Amino acid sequence: DAGVTQSPTHLIKTRGQHVTLRCSPISGHKSVSWYQQVLGQGPQFIFQYYEKEERGRGNFPDRFSARQFPNYSSELNVNALLLGDSALYLCASSLALASPTGELFFGEGSRLTVL
Amino acid sequence: RKEVEQDPGPFNVPEGATVAFNCTYSNSASQSFFWYRQDCRKEPKLLMSVYSSGNEDGRFTAQLNRASQYISLLIRDSKLSDSATYLCVVNMRQAGTALIFGKGTTLSVSS
Repeated sequence: DAGVTQSPTHLIKTRGQHVTLRCSPISGHKSVSWYQQVLGQGPQFIFQYYEKEERGRGNFPDRFSARQFPNYSSELNVNALLLGDSALYLCASSLALASPTGELFFGEGSRLTVL
Repeated sequence: RKEVEQDPGPFNVPEGATVAFNCTYSNSASQSFFWYRQDCRKEPKLLMSVYSSGNEDGRFTAQLNRASQYISLLIRDSKLSDSATYLCVVNMRQAGTALIFGKGTTLSVSS
């Protein structure tokens, strides 16, 4: 079975541009979360979506937005890119809104470099 | 103060050693607790959940002290394959899963 898939795997942008990252959850999983991992730090929660609705938002500026589609895939959009947005963006899926075991299944991430 | 703080590491140990990682969390309303493992340039994966009664999975033992807001992970008989970054993780929310990760502690096991 396919795990969580993300695209693109790597990308380079310049300051001020925008970027769209895509994620397909594990088949049957209805919740998708996005995390940002800056080098040397742990992942930081950005958004959680469940059944196409935003169910949680981390401490990120409004330049960050996301959505979930009827097939449960998701997009993360970042506008007006800053150098500090350079990071690994991880998508994670789970069956339900809350995961009792704490297990989120992460994709391999999209590595964004902003020049 | 960071919400989840861990020993910075790195921990460099020989095969067969026992190593312990510590973690503290700042919010007493935290709901659930976990250790994730992240290999170099890979995604994090759940290692084990952490319960107040303590729990063990093979060579790995996790402990939680809610009163002290302290979490630990003990690895016995370290293997080369244990080399990775270990992330202490807390979930704040009763509904939903918004994991709060520590910075991680890097373990390097050598032969």
